[in-house]
Amino acid sequence: GAGVSQSPSNKVTEKGKDVELRCDPISGHTALYWYRQSLGQGLEFLIYFQGNSAPDKSGLPSDRFSAERTGGSVSTLTIQRTQQEDSAVYLCASSPGTAYGYTFGSGTRLTVV
Amino acid sequence: DQQVKQNSPSLSVQEGRISILNCDYTNSMFDYFLWYKKYPAEGPTFLISISSIKDKNEDGRFTVFLNKSAKHLSLHIVPSQPGDSAVYFCAASAETSYDKVIFGPGTSLSVIP
Repeated sequence: GAGVSQSPSNKVTEKGKDVELRCDPISGHTALYWYRQSLGQGLEFLIYFQGNSAPDKSGLPSDRFSAERTGGSVSTLTIQRTQQEDSAVYLCASSPGTAYGYTFGSGTRLTVV
Repeated sequence: DQQVKQNSPSLSVQEGRISILNCDYTNSMFDYFLWYKKYPAEGPTFLISISSIKDKNEDGRFTVFLNKSAKHLSLHIVPSQPGDSAVYFCAASAETSYDKVIFGPGTSLSVIP
């Protein structure tokens, strides 16, 4: 596609439920990133995939968070047993492997009630 | 520990005047810096960047200045327009990990007509 696509755009879930957020990167981009922006906060790095290398999971806040990237393209971020503090906008970005080419999706706004 | 800092969470400027957004960084390995702009309900979009071999980069109304000794950069918008009202994120990367970008917390700019 022309840009980075994220779905759903909005998600409301009950505390304790699992959620899956999807990211469809720009075709050909080898790198894919997940960030989150909590209310009043900056962009918090979560996880990064680059080609076939092992992902950089250093930003995942807890073991309830996981992500996978299938076939080097689409990525799914899964949050298990959601908590209210997980409420945030989750942003996905992809790049051709350089800082210059970062392109963000519109994000998924997650609300845990 | 925040490696990229934007100490002003918000800024208001009159239309036609100059907007100056500041950013400080702590990691001396950073050598590539970027500014992103984010409108509500949209993902951040790339605005302008600068390499550490330069101290100034200009693109139309937008100029970024880099002071390496002070580990400080700033974004100047002249003249400011109401459409510039957005959150501006400063970001940085290091040659050793060019594809991993660290973002600051953002500054919300309001340009008053």
